[in-house]
Amino acid sequence: DVKVTQSSRYLVKRTGEKVFLECVQDMDHENMFWYRQDPGLGLRLIYFSYDVKMKEKGDIPEGYSVSREKKERFSLILESASTNQTSMYLCASSLGQHQETQYFGPGTRLLVL
Amino acid sequence: QKEVEQNSGPLSVPEGAIASLNCTYSDRGSQSFFWYRQYSGKSPELIMFIYSNGDKEDGRFTAQLNKASQYVSLLIRDSQPSDSATYLCAVFTSGTYKYIFGTGTRLKVLA
Repeated sequence: DVKVTQSSRYLVKRTGEKVFLECVQDMDHENMFWYRQDPGLGLRLIYFSYDVKMKEKGDIPEGYSVSREKKERFSLILESASTNQTSMYLCASSLGQHQETQYFGPGTRLLVL
Repeated sequence: QKEVEQNSGPLSVPEGAIASLNCTYSDRGSQSFFWYRQYSGKSPELIMFIYSNGDKEDGRFTAQLNKASQYVSLLIRDSQPSDSATYLCAVFTSGTYKYIFGTGTRLKVLA
């Protein structure tokens, strides 16, 4: 079974803090993704990566950055957290090579005060 | 027009009935279609995917794809209260390497 883990299930941070969300997958997947999910807006893609050290902006990259130093790990960074970044953050991975099913981690619910 | 559209619901069906969930998409070049189930407070989990026109069955679930009409549907037979969740449709287009999710349909199965 594919296993995607995220570093925290719940996180509370203050405005202006730097926030790191970590995601690890254990199935040697090429592609990794970060989404945020908000009521009524569905899943919105923040960034994705199709290889180590490669990253591509998704639909809403503003205020976020990412890092992929190792194939299994994809980190999302909020440089200076703001209240409008309060959300559920979901990491996903896919094998690539035309196998595009995405497998999701359990999610991190982030509250920025 | 949204790239992937779903009726937000809620869709209410009695226990034992067939639930029919629909999804339309705008990019005629899309090739792969996915259905995910998401329970409240949890992350999406894959139910099934379909690539070719027609029906694909897996247990109580049947996915139907009609590329000419640009819609994909999910049928759940013998619906159970445990099927109550939000169902997300996702569409992948290799030409643009875009994977787009719909906003989901909330299904309520009434005991």
